Amino acid sequence: NAGVTQTPKFRILKIGQSMTLQCAQDMNHNYMYWYRQDPGMGLKLIYYSVGAGITDKGEVPNGYNVSRSTTEDFPLRLELAAPSQTSVYFCASSYSQGSNTGELFFGEGSRLTVL
Amino acid sequence: QQQVKQSPQSLIVQKGGISIINCAYENTAFDYFPWYQQFPGKGPALLIAIRPDVSEKKEGRFTISFNKSAKQFSLHIMDSQPGDSATYFCAAIAIVNSGYALNFGKGTSLLVTP
Repeated sequence: NAGVTQTPKFRILKIGQSMTLQCAQDMNHNYMYWYRQDPGMGLKLIYYSVGAGITDKGEVPNGYNVSRSTTEDFPLRLELAAPSQTSVYFCASSYSQGSNTGELFFGEGSRLTVL
Repeated sequence: QQQVKQSPQSLIVQKGGISIINCAYENTAFDYFPWYQQFPGKGPALLIAIRPDVSEKKEGRFTISFNKSAKQFSLHIMDSQPGDSATYFCAAIAIVNSGYALNFGKGTSLLVTP
């Protein structure tokens, strides 16, 4: 099992450009998440999905969009990149959620810089 | 609004010492409290977790102490080793719109010196 795979690992964007961060998991997990990590700020939830075709906003969704057409894939799209979106993005997945939440499995992250 | 408050932000401990990281929360609906460990350049990974029906959970050198009445929980790392140097995040289940997700503290950067 590869676990959670994120691509690209690094990317530099110019202000106003768009891009998609890819995330794939091979554990047949229903639940998938996108977090962003900024120095000293912890991990903040951007979007999450409870299954194919179902997505919902997290704490900081502005400037991002997601889709979940398959169980395996959960891409995060940045439209009109802004310097405030410079961050490290982590995708994660889990078998369940709520009070029975199991372990979250994280990818290795995608470091994005917007100049 | 930070639902889980974590302290200290950074911590330096000598090899063999005890590392202690504290977290506090307000939402009494939280019922799952995991700790994640993150090494540089890697994603966080689950270290140990506790539910509020127990006051302590120990796994090897790592112990979670949980005080439900005070709404506080802490991670103790006994006999700290240089290989424990990492960032540690406490977390709790948060209700997010119609679902749930982990709500993380801001993290503690731990350095264990030889």
